[in-house]
Amino acid sequence: DARVTQTPRHKVTEMGQEVTMRCQPILGHNTVFWYRQTMMQGLELLAYFRNRAPLDDSGMPKDRFSAEMPDATLATLKIQPSEPRDSAVYFCASGQGSPEAFFGQGTRLTVV
Amino acid sequence: GQQLNQSPQSMFIQEGEDVSMNCTSSSIFNTWLWYKQDPGEGPVLLIALYKAGELTSNGRLTAQFGITRKDSFLNISASIPSDVGIYFCAGHPGGANAGKSTFGDGTTLTVKP
Repeated sequence: DARVTQTPRHKVTEMGQEVTMRCQPILGHNTVFWYRQTMMQGLELLAYFRNRAPLDDSGMPKDRFSAEMPDATLATLKIQPSEPRDSAVYFCASGQGSPEAFFGQGTRLTVV
Repeated sequence: GQQLNQSPQSMFIQEGEDVSMNCTSSSIFNTWLWYKQDPGEGPVLLIALYKAGELTSNGRLTAQFGITRKDSFLNISASIPSDVGIYFCAGHPGGANAGKSTFGDGTTLTVKP
C-alpha cells in the first residue's frame, strides 16, 4: 500500500531549537508539497518541488524555514530557530504532476 | 491571491441524512478536488473533477464541477458515522501554477447515530 511517510509524527521542542521534519514521497511521484495546518490559517502551502527542483517557496518564511530534496526519496523541512508561532501540523504530500496530491499523516510540532 | 469560500463551516446531522456542501471562488479553476481529513490524519483525496459541468461519484459521494468553473459541490447520501471528519475543497488553476492548489477552510461534519 503506497503512502507518504513523515517523521517524526510528533515533536515538542524549545523555542530557538532547530527542527527537521522528513518526508518520504510515494515511489515514482515527482512532485512534493509541504503544507502547514493551523486552526487560524487552515492549510497553507509552504513550498513544492518537481523532480527535486524547488518550484515555489513563496509561502515559506525564508528567514527561518528551508526545504530541500537531497534525493528522490527524501524531502526535508527545517526550521531554525523555531518559535512558538511555528506550532502547527506540517504535512508533506506527493503527486505525479497532476493536481491530485497524496498526503502523509503529518508532523505535529509544538514549540514551547 | 485566489480564495475559496467553503460552506457550511460545520454540519450536525442524523445518521441516514443526506449532506451537501459547496465551494465558491472569485477565480476560475481548471480542476476541483475534494478531500476528507480524519482526526490525526492527513487529508485523503475523495474525488477529482477535471471538466466544467462534470458530475462524478465515488460510492455515496457525488461531486460536481460548476459550469462557470468557479464552484463545486459535494453531496453525501445516506450518511453513516464514519463520514465524520473535515471535508476540504481545493481548486487547481493549471498553467504556470500547475502545482498550486488552493484549499478551502473545510466543512466539519458530525453525524449523530
